[in-house]
Amino acid sequence: SQQGEEDPQALSIQEGENATMNCSYKTSINNLQWYRQNSGRGLVHLILIRSNEREKHSGRLRVTLDTSKKSSSLLITASRAADTASYFCATDGETSGSRLTFGEGTQLTVNP
Amino acid sequence: EAGVTQFPSHSVIEKGQTVTLRCDPISGHDNLYWYRRVMGKEIKFLLHFVKESKQDESGMPNNRFLAERTGGTYSTLKVQPAELEDSGVYFCASNERPNSPLHFGNGTRLTVT
Repeated sequence: SQQGEEDPQALSIQEGENATMNCSYKTSINNLQWYRQNSGRGLVHLILIRSNEREKHSGRLRVTLDTSKKSSSLLITASRAADTASYFCATDGETSGSRLTFGEGTQLTVNP
Repeated sequence: EAGVTQFPSHSVIEKGQTVTLRCDPISGHDNLYWYRRVMGKEIKFLLHFVKESKQDESGMPNNRFLAERTGGTYSTLKVQPAELEDSGVYFCASNERPNSPLHFGNGTRLTVT
Protein backbone atom coordinates (compact mmCIF):
# COMPACT_ATOMS: atom_id res chain seq x y z
CA SER A 1 0.00 0.00 0.00
CA GLN A 2 1.20 3.52 -0.77
CA GLN A 3 1.13 6.42 1.63
CA GLY A 4 0.58 9.87 0.21
CA GLU A 5 -1.02 9.19 -3.15
CA GLU A 6 -1.95 12.24 -5.18
CA ASP A 7 -4.59 12.54 -7.82
CA PRO A 8 -4.85 13.47 -10.54
CA GLN A 9 -1.43 12.47 -11.80
CA ALA A 10 -1.55 15.29 -14.31
CA LEU A 11 -3.72 18.38 -14.57
CA SER A 12 -3.78 20.97 -17.33
CA ILE A 13 -5.73 24.22 -16.91
CA GLN A 14 -5.88 27.76 -18.27
CA GLU A 15 -4.40 30.73 -16.51
CA GLY A 16 -6.88 32.23 -14.10
CA GLU A 17 -8.65 28.96 -13.37
CA ASN A 18 -8.45 27.16 -10.05
CA ALA A 19 -6.48 23.95 -9.63
CA THR A 20 -7.39 21.27 -7.12
CA MET A 21 -5.12 18.39 -6.25
CA ASN A 22 -5.93 15.60 -3.85
CA CYS A 23 -3.83 13.41 -1.62
CA SER A 24 -4.78 10.25 0.23
CA TYR A 25 -2.82 8.43 2.88
CA LYS A 26 -3.23 5.20 4.80
CA THR A 27 -1.83 5.51 8.30
CA SER A 28 -2.32 7.98 11.14
CA ILE A 29 -0.39 11.19 10.70
CA ASN A 30 0.91 14.05 12.80
CA ASN A 31 1.33 16.52 9.95
CA LEU A 32 0.71 16.76 6.25
CA GLN A 33 2.77 19.04 4.04
CA TRP A 34 2.57 20.13 0.43
CA TYR A 35 5.68 20.77 -1.65
CA ARG A 36 6.18 22.13 -5.15
CA GLN A 37 8.94 21.12 -7.52
CA ASN A 38 9.83 23.04 -10.63
CA SER A 39 11.53 20.99 -13.31
CA GLY A 40 15.15 20.27 -12.46
CA ARG A 41 14.96 22.02 -9.11
CA GLY A 42 14.53 20.96 -5.50
CA LEU A 43 11.25 20.74 -3.65
CA VAL A 44 9.96 23.90 -2.06
CA HIS A 45 7.76 23.77 1.01
CA LEU A 46 4.34 25.36 0.52
CA ILE A 47 2.24 24.69 3.55
CA LEU A 48 1.96 22.41 6.59
CA ILE A 49 -1.29 21.35 8.21
CA ARG A 50 -1.43 19.54 11.50
CA SER A 51 -3.65 16.56 12.17
CA ASN A 52 -5.90 18.62 14.46
CA GLU A 53 -6.46 21.30 11.81
CA ARG A 54 -9.09 21.12 9.09
CA GLU A 55 -8.20 24.00 6.81
CA LYS A 56 -5.32 26.36 6.25
CA HIS A 57 -4.70 29.26 3.89
CA SER A 58 -1.55 30.84 2.57
CA GLY A 59 -1.93 33.46 -0.15
CA ARG A 60 -3.60 31.75 -3.12
CA LEU A 61 -3.25 28.34 -1.50
CA ARG A 62 -5.94 26.58 0.49
CA VAL A 63 -5.34 23.20 2.08
CA THR A 64 -7.94 21.01 3.69
CA LEU A 65 -7.43 17.91 5.76
CA ASP A 66 -10.01 15.22 6.51
CA THR A 67 -8.48 12.73 8.91
CA SER A 68 -11.61 10.58 8.89
CA LYS A 69 -11.15 10.02 5.17
CA LYS A 70 -7.36 10.19 5.36
CA SER A 71 -7.27 12.75 2.61
CA SER A 72 -6.14 16.28 1.88
CA SER A 73 -6.66 18.69 -0.95
CA LEU A 74 -4.60 21.59 -2.24
CA LEU A 75 -6.44 24.37 -4.02
CA ILE A 76 -4.56 26.99 -6.00
CA THR A 77 -6.81 29.88 -6.91
CA ALA A 78 -6.40 32.21 -9.88
CA SER A 79 -3.60 30.10 -11.29
CA ARG A 80 -0.66 31.58 -13.17
CA ALA A 81 1.71 30.11 -15.73
CA ALA A 82 4.41 30.25 -13.03
CA ASP A 83 2.41 27.74 -10.98
CA THR A 84 3.34 25.07 -13.52
CA ALA A 85 5.20 22.46 -11.48
CA SER A 86 4.86 19.10 -9.78
CA TYR A 87 3.07 19.11 -6.45
CA PHE A 88 3.67 16.53 -3.74
CA CYS A 89 2.02 15.81 -0.46
CA ALA A 90 4.11 14.36 2.35
CA THR A 91 3.11 12.95 5.69
CA ASP A 92 4.81 12.18 8.94
CA GLY A 93 3.27 10.00 11.60
CA GLU A 94 3.63 8.71 15.10
CA THR A 95 5.78 5.78 14.02
CA SER A 96 7.80 7.49 11.31
CA GLY A 97 9.59 10.08 13.38
CA SER A 98 10.99 12.78 11.13
CA ARG A 99 10.74 10.58 8.08
CA LEU A 100 8.40 12.02 5.42
CA THR A 101 6.41 9.77 3.12
CA PHE A 102 5.78 11.31 -0.29
CA GLY A 103 3.39 10.40 -3.04
CA GLU A 104 4.14 10.33 -6.74
CA GLY A 105 2.98 13.89 -7.26
CA THR A 106 0.62 15.78 -9.53
CA GLN A 107 2.05 17.50 -12.59
CA LEU A 108 0.21 20.78 -12.99
CA THR A 109 0.41 22.69 -16.26
CA VAL A 110 -1.05 26.18 -16.40
CA ASN A 111 -1.44 27.39 -19.97
CA PRO A 112 -1.11 31.13 -20.62
CA GLU B 1 21.15 32.56 3.75
CA ALA B 2 22.60 30.03 1.30
CA GLY B 3 20.32 27.12 0.54
CA VAL B 4 21.07 23.42 0.50
CA THR B 5 23.63 22.69 -2.18
CA GLN B 6 24.33 19.39 -3.85
CA PHE B 7 27.18 18.30 -6.05
CA PRO B 8 27.35 17.12 -8.75
CA SER B 9 24.09 18.09 -10.42
CA HIS B 10 24.44 15.21 -12.85
CA SER B 11 26.51 12.03 -12.87
CA VAL B 12 26.67 9.33 -15.50
CA ILE B 13 28.59 6.19 -14.55
CA GLU B 14 28.81 2.62 -15.68
CA LYS B 15 27.44 -0.29 -13.74
CA GLY B 16 29.99 -1.44 -11.20
CA GLN B 17 31.61 1.95 -10.76
CA THR B 18 31.55 4.08 -7.64
CA VAL B 19 29.93 7.48 -7.24
CA THR B 20 29.98 9.89 -4.32
CA LEU B 21 27.33 12.55 -3.92
CA ARG B 22 27.83 15.52 -1.67
CA CYS B 23 25.36 17.69 0.22
CA ASP B 24 25.97 20.92 2.08
CA PRO B 25 22.99 21.73 4.30
CA ILE B 26 21.94 25.16 5.43
CA SER B 27 24.40 26.38 8.04
CA GLY B 28 23.19 25.60 11.54
CA HIS B 29 20.76 22.87 10.49
CA ASP B 30 21.51 19.83 12.61
CA ASN B 31 19.09 17.63 10.70
CA LEU B 32 20.11 16.36 7.28
CA TYR B 33 18.14 13.93 5.14
CA TRP B 34 18.71 11.99 1.96
CA TYR B 35 15.79 11.08 -0.32
CA ARG B 36 15.67 9.70 -3.83
CA ARG B 37 13.21 9.53 -6.68
CA VAL B 38 13.59 6.59 -8.99
CA MET B 39 12.02 6.37 -12.46
CA GLY B 40 9.46 9.12 -11.81
CA LYS B 41 8.01 7.23 -8.87
CA GLU B 42 7.45 8.56 -5.39
CA ILE B 43 10.20 10.29 -3.47
CA LYS B 44 11.54 7.83 -0.92
CA PHE B 45 13.35 8.46 2.33
CA LEU B 46 16.87 7.06 2.65
CA LEU B 47 18.23 8.30 5.95
CA HIS B 48 18.34 11.06 8.54
CA PHE B 49 21.37 12.52 10.33
CA VAL B 50 21.26 14.55 13.50
CA LYS B 51 24.59 16.28 13.50
CA GLU B 52 27.06 13.48 12.73
CA SER B 53 24.87 10.63 14.02
CA LYS B 54 22.56 8.48 11.93
CA GLN B 55 19.16 8.92 13.52
CA ASP B 56 17.25 6.75 11.07
CA GLU B 57 18.71 4.77 8.20
CA SER B 58 15.73 2.53 7.62
CA GLY B 59 15.35 3.66 4.02
CA MET B 60 18.83 2.69 2.84
CA PRO B 61 18.21 0.05 0.17
CA ASN B 62 21.26 -2.14 0.77
CA ASN B 63 24.88 -2.15 1.87
CA ARG B 64 26.06 -0.71 -1.44
CA PHE B 65 24.98 2.66 -0.08
CA LEU B 66 27.10 4.41 2.53
CA ALA B 67 26.28 7.80 4.00
CA GLU B 68 28.55 9.84 6.20
CA ARG B 69 28.44 13.21 7.88
CA THR B 70 31.78 13.65 9.53
CA GLY B 71 31.90 16.69 11.79
CA GLY B 72 28.18 17.19 11.45
CA THR B 73 28.45 19.59 8.52
CA TYR B 74 28.33 18.32 4.95
CA SER B 75 27.30 14.80 4.07
CA THR B 76 28.32 12.33 1.40
CA LEU B 77 26.41 9.43 -0.06
CA LYS B 78 28.51 6.81 -1.77
CA VAL B 79 27.16 4.10 -4.01
CA GLN B 80 29.59 1.22 -4.55
CA PRO B 81 29.25 -0.67 -6.81
CA ALA B 82 26.47 1.10 -8.69
CA GLU B 83 23.69 -0.92 -10.29
CA LEU B 84 21.24 0.06 -13.04
CA GLU B 85 18.36 0.35 -10.58
CA ASP B 86 20.24 3.04 -8.65
CA SER B 87 19.51 5.54 -11.40
CA GLY B 88 17.35 8.40 -10.23
CA VAL B 89 17.46 11.78 -8.58
CA TYR B 90 19.02 11.96 -5.12
CA PHE B 91 17.81 14.83 -2.98
CA CYS B 92 19.33 16.18 0.18
CA ALA B 93 17.31 18.25 2.63
CA SER B 94 17.86 19.89 5.98
CA ASN B 95 15.88 21.54 8.75
CA GLU B 96 16.48 23.13 12.11
CA ARG B 97 14.10 20.98 14.09
CA PRO B 98 12.65 17.57 13.35
CA ASN B 99 9.22 17.78 11.69
CA SER B 100 9.70 21.39 10.62
CA PRO B 101 9.53 22.05 6.86
CA LEU B 102 12.41 20.68 4.84
CA HIS B 103 14.72 22.77 2.69
CA PHE B 104 15.74 20.75 -0.34
CA GLY B 105 18.72 20.96 -2.64
CA ASN B 106 18.28 20.76 -6.40
CA GLY B 107 19.24 17.10 -6.40
CA THR B 108 21.82 14.97 -8.16
CA ARG B 109 20.59 13.12 -11.22
CA LEU B 110 22.43 9.80 -11.28
CA THR B 111 22.39 7.67 -14.41
CA VAL B 112 23.92 4.21 -14.28
CA THR B 113 24.49 2.67 -17.71
